This record gives sequence, C-alpha cells and structure tokens, in this order.
Amino acid sequence: QKEVEQDPGPLSVPEGAIVSLNCTYSNSAFQYFMWYRQYSRKGPELLMYTYSSGNKEDGRFTAQVDKSSKYISLFIRDSQPSDSATYLCAMSRPGDSNYQLIWGAGTKLIIKP
Amino acid sequence: NAGVTQTPKFRVLKTGQSMTLLCAQDMNHEYMYWYRQDPGMGLRLIHYSVGEGTTAKGEVPDGYNVSRLKKQNFLLGLESAAPSQTSVYFCASSTTGLAGILSYNEQFFGPGTRLTVL
Repeated sequence: QKEVEQDPGPLSVPEGAIVSLNCTYSNSAFQYFMWYRQYSRKGPELLMYTYSSGNKEDGRFTAQVDKSSKYISLFIRDSQPSDSATYLCAMSRPGDSNYQLIWGAGTKLIIKP
Repeated sequence: NAGVTQTPKFRVLKTGQSMTLLCAQDMNHEYMYWYRQDPGMGLRLIHYSVGEGTTAKGEVPDGYNVSRLKKQNFLLGLESAAPSQTSVYFCASSTTGLAGILSYNEQFFGPGTRLTVL
C-alpha cells in the first residue's frame, strides 16, 4: 500500500462547479501538507500549504486537512477552464527535509467551458 | 530571473546510448533534486543534493548518476539507457528544506525533459 493515495482521474466538471480533490494517507506522523498544480507539459508549482489540521483559504482555493481520517482535500470554487491541470498532493513529517516529501500520483482535472 | 532551467527539452535515445541532462538554477538554492514522472506514478525522486559537491540517492537511483560540481548546476547522467527510463524528468531546487508552522520551503521545478528510449 502506498503511503499516499490519490485518484488519478481524469475528473471532468463543467465550468463554475465546485471541485473537490482528495488524498488519503497512512502515516499519522505527517504534519505538513502541500498541493502542487501542474499544467500540461510544465513543471509543478506550489499552490497551497497547510500545517497540521484545519482549513486554509486563498481566493477560490481552500485546503482542508482531517487528521483523524488521514484525509486532505483541495476545494476549488467557481472553477474555470484555466484550472484544468494535474493537482499533486505532497506531505512530510516534522523534521523531514524537502527530499523526504511523499507525493501523491496526481489527479488530472478538466474544466469544461 | 530564469528560475530553474533544463536542457534539453526533448530527446530520443536508442537502448544502450548515454546522455546527460543539465539543470541550472539562479536562485542560490542549496538543495537540488531530480525526479522522474510516469503516468499513475506521480513524482519519484532519483537523486538529490544538499549542497555543492554532495549528492545522495533517492527512491529510484538505479541506472542514473549525478554530479553537482557547481552550486547552480545539477547534472543527471544515463550511462546505458534502457526503455524503462522513458519518462519525463524534472529538476527542482529549494532552500534548506525544512518546513515550519507558517511557511514551507517550496520546491521550484524546471519545465521538464521528455526522454524516449527506443
């Protein structure tokens, strides 16, 4: 079993819909949770970062962590065609360095105009 | 600032051939990484470096070698390419690499190199 599970999709939704992207994990020691966005034929770029539990909001994006369920989510409100990309989750433990990040496989999101 | 650049963007090799992928960053980052990305597999760390002159193995190092002779450059070598090494290769860099409560030292990625081994 992988430490981080992420449905690869593709997930196809109409423009304006609320999108929910999710990752589950098995290691309860994870405290740092990241979402990276990757456009087609580009490198990933950091979208959101959350420490421990709770929600974090940035514009149309909300990152949520449920440590009791070992589940993280990224919500996109009022989705736009420009949000079409692959979204990768990543996580790490306290004291870990960047080279110890555990990555999800990525979910491909398609927003239909 | 160019950020992280990778050379070449595309390459086709025959089995057994060798090549070197070049990564350069202009952000004065200490840490640099080489990943490969395959469908359904996400990013897998090949090798990484925590400073000039130092390298270490990641999750999938077999068949690859690396060198970091200059702080800004990180080279990935394939000595004898195999079809299993067909992939998209990403280089990334970051600062010291520790996360904190309020901030995270994000990894900055290059645009990738698409490698096909026939």
